[in-house]
Amino acid sequence: NAGVTQTPKFQVLKTGQSMTLQCAQDMNHNSMYWYRQDPGMGLRLIYYSASEGTTDKGEVPNGYNVSRLNKREFSLRLESAAPSQTSVYFCASTLFYGYTFGSGTRLTVV
Amino acid sequence: AQSVTQLDSQVPVFEEAPVELRCNYSSSVSVYLFWYVQYPNQGLQLLLKYLSGSTLVKGINGFEAEFNKSQTSFHLRKPSVHISDTAEYFCAVSATLYGGSQGNLIFGKGTKLSVKP
Repeated sequence: NAGVTQTPKFQVLKTGQSMTLQCAQDMNHNSMYWYRQDPGMGLRLIYYSASEGTTDKGEVPNGYNVSRLNKREFSLRLESAAPSQTSVYFCASTLFYGYTFGSGTRLTVV
Repeated sequence: AQSVTQLDSQVPVFEEAPVELRCNYSSSVSVYLFWYVQYPNQGLQLLLKYLSGSTLVKGINGFEAEFNKSQTSFHLRKPSVHISDTAEYFCAVSATLYGGSQGNLIFGKGTKLSVKP
């Protein structure tokens, strides 16, 4: 049982480049989330998808877009990366209570 | 809206000593409460959760937490820590929604526990 799988694990981008972070879960969870983690800031919600076909903004959505491709997959896109988006990104999913997290994507924008 | 305050950003402690990591929350509605642990370069792992019932909740790795509604607190405790408990710990809160489902998780800023030999 793989749980929540994120790809890639590491990425370096130049300012202005675009990329998509991929997330897939195999637990038949309805809800999926994207968080970013910055030192001393905890985890902040970027976007979430309560169910297949729906997406909503979280606390820090600016500069990001998401796609809930199907029940398993929830991708996060940076259209024009900025140094302020240097962070560790976590995907999570849940069915009822408590989240299952992926192992994260460490993104550096130079 | 909900918010979480973890009162200590860093807690150093010697091996086999007891530890308490403090968490206070704010909410105008009923909540569910969680503690997660993050080991270096890993994702977050659920330690324990309070949904309802007994206010003393036991989790994995010998940790426990007590929900105190009047104090709006959910402090995490372990009677004797090990070197392997060195990690960052996050308290999180969610609103209880219609039908008992869970709202989005709001996280505190984390407490780094450092266990020294």
